Amino acid sequence: GENVEQHPSTLSVQEGDSAVIKCTYSDSASNYFPWYKQELGKRPQLIIDIRSNVGEKKDQRIAVTLNKTAKHFSLHITETQPEDSAVYFCAASPRMDSSYKLIFGSGTRLLVRP
Amino acid sequence: DAGVIQSPRHEVTEMGQEVTLRCKPISGHNSLFWYRQTMMRGLELLIYFNNNVPIDDSGMPEDRFSAKMPNASFSTLKIQPSEPRDSAVYFCASSLSSGGAGEQFFGPGTRLTVL
Repeated sequence: GENVEQHPSTLSVQEGDSAVIKCTYSDSASNYFPWYKQELGKRPQLIIDIRSNVGEKKDQRIAVTLNKTAKHFSLHITETQPEDSAVYFCAASPRMDSSYKLIFGSGTRLLVRP
Repeated sequence: DAGVIQSPRHEVTEMGQEVTLRCKPISGHNSLFWYRQTMMRGLELLIYFNNNVPIDDSGMPEDRFSAKMPNASFSTLKIQPSEPRDSAVYFCASSLSSGGAGEQFFGPGTRLTVL
């Protein structure tokens, strides 16, 4: 089945710097790649997603890139702010029999230092 | 819309007791997912339903866990008997799935502590 690996597990950056989180997936037929943000004690919430027919997507300070050949995708946060501090999860949707499930990575704890 | 609703928000019980977690998905959504989150194992998919039918329960840890979705607006996850290792945050999520996966909306979670 699908396996999603995420790294780094923790990331500390200075406010204003950029942060990059990377994920790899195993199922070459996976076609949907969302990123979720989970603040301490809260629920995961979608921040951006990308489908396999697109290579890059941006939304203000957040961007996601997808390399289907290498089977990896990345989250880029520019001009980081303290409120970006949270755990970020990548996920992939295995394409099998119209599956709707997501396989999540292990998460990256991002700390933005003021 | 109130979003995905879960109850109870917190549950403390003793080993061996039955625990029932409840979820009301967003109206109109046709897929419902149950996840378990722990520090050690991260966010694990336990089971998911599409149009009230269980599609994939391969993540259910063992026979002590069962889930039902009697109608489009209600689902339960039951643990019987509960064990201390079941302590975790259990999330329910729903989505409008059509032709593939889409955004999942998570509920606030139920924090379960089994003593």
